[in-house]
Amino acid sequence: EDKVVQSPLSLVVHEGDTVTLNCSYEVTNFRSLLWYKQEKKAPTFLFMLTSSGIEKKSGRLSSILDKKELFSILNITATQTGDSAIYLCAAHDEKLTFGTGTRLTIIP
Amino acid sequence: DAGITQSPRHKVTETGTPVTLRCHQTENHRYMYWYRQDPGHGLRLIHYSYGVKDTDKGEVSDGYSVSRSKTEDFLLTLESATSSQTSVYFCAISEGLPTDTQYFGPGTRLTVL
Repeated sequence: EDKVVQSPLSLVVHEGDTVTLNCSYEVTNFRSLLWYKQEKKAPTFLFMLTSSGIEKKSGRLSSILDKKELFSILNITATQTGDSAIYLCAAHDEKLTFGTGTRLTIIP
Repeated sequence: DAGITQSPRHKVTETGTPVTLRCHQTENHRYMYWYRQDPGHGLRLIHYSYGVKDTDKGEVSDGYSVSRSKTEDFLLTLESATSSQTSVYFCAISEGLPTDTQYFGPGTRLTVL
């Protein structure tokens, strides 16, 4: 059975801190790994990763994939209160399998 | 934002009643999906469609049916709603391949009393 596990389940940090969110996966025919941000509404797409070791970056957010060890990390530097959200990762084979998410809370 | 709307956005209904949720897209994307999101389970796929009149089951399809008579509309029906179907339902779309990025609609919060 396909499985995606995220850690930690929740994280509380102060504004300005750097955080690292983890995602490990086991899927049969892996194609890609996706990261989404979910505030009090629909998940919004952040990154799609298909190749090991190639960092994807968007502003203060970055992500990298390790296909040998079957995990990905999402880094957020200089966190802001607007980064407070649930961060979801999902592994793609013929369908998306989601993790349960990491709830990130940024304290001003 | 991808052009995806869902209706209704909120619904309260009683056990045993039929319920239909609608997803409408303006992107002309081939694939459409229905997920439910529950605490502790994350997003789980109910059904998906890969074209007009072409649908398939996801991991939690029992008690749900779908229809897609037009590219832009994907309907999810609960024939006889149960309290275990209380959830937030999200529609998603992707362009031309099942491995393309999926974009999500705003969600429908359904409460079954």
